[in-house]
Amino acid sequence: DAMVIQNPRYQVTQFGKPVTLSCSQTLNHNVMYWYQQKSSQAPKLLFHYYDKDFNNEADTPDNFQSRRPNTSFCFLDIRSPGLGDAAMYLCATSRDRGHGTQYFGPGTRLLVL
Amino acid sequence: KQEVTQIPAALSVPEGENLVLNCSFTDSAIYNLQWFRQDPGKGLTSLLLIQSSQREQTSGRLNASLDKSSGRSTLYIAASQPGDSATYLCAVRPPNTGNQFYFGTGTSLTVIP
Repeated sequence: DAMVIQNPRYQVTQFGKPVTLSCSQTLNHNVMYWYQQKSSQAPKLLFHYYDKDFNNEADTPDNFQSRRPNTSFCFLDIRSPGLGDAAMYLCATSRDRGHGTQYFGPGTRLLVL
Repeated sequence: KQEVTQIPAALSVPEGENLVLNCSFTDSAIYNLQWFRQDPGKGLTSLLLIQSSQREQTSGRLNASLDKSSGRSTLYIAASQPGDSATYLCAVRPPNTGNQFYFGTGTSLTVIP
């Protein structure tokens, strides 16, 4: 059974057109993360939620926002996508901060035209 | 800032061979280290998690070791199979940095039938 679900799996948007990516989890984990992974690069953490507490990485562009309306769902909003934002976006969860395993979803591949 | 390196970037082996993938990190003060597998265009699958107090973890044909003092981890795959073909990433979690995982760029493994 899928534990971390991402929708859609593929998203095409136009330059400057806002887009929202969705992540849901059935694990009831406290922490949810969003990573950006460009081709042949390591995943880069954008931000994470610890419960309702939002934690932004220092170098995450303002163009990226996130919402977590409840424990199960977390959204990544890209307000004005640029060509450089084309990437795989990975959602992950962990039970708690610290020493737990991170569980990843299948990712959403974003294409910006 | 923690830096994680994986060498080689790509590796091809014949089926049945035992192999070792390497991961090195610059700051030995880590909380844990996790090995992941990523198939093309897919998300990350957790393989093994080693806590800082542990030396190794095993799961089936996989064995991961950790030497914190030298800043190294290895992933040993026994009796490789074509289905093992994927990119293998390691990630370290330093203590006291919130929730950041630092990823290497991975080793792309091809097992030739």
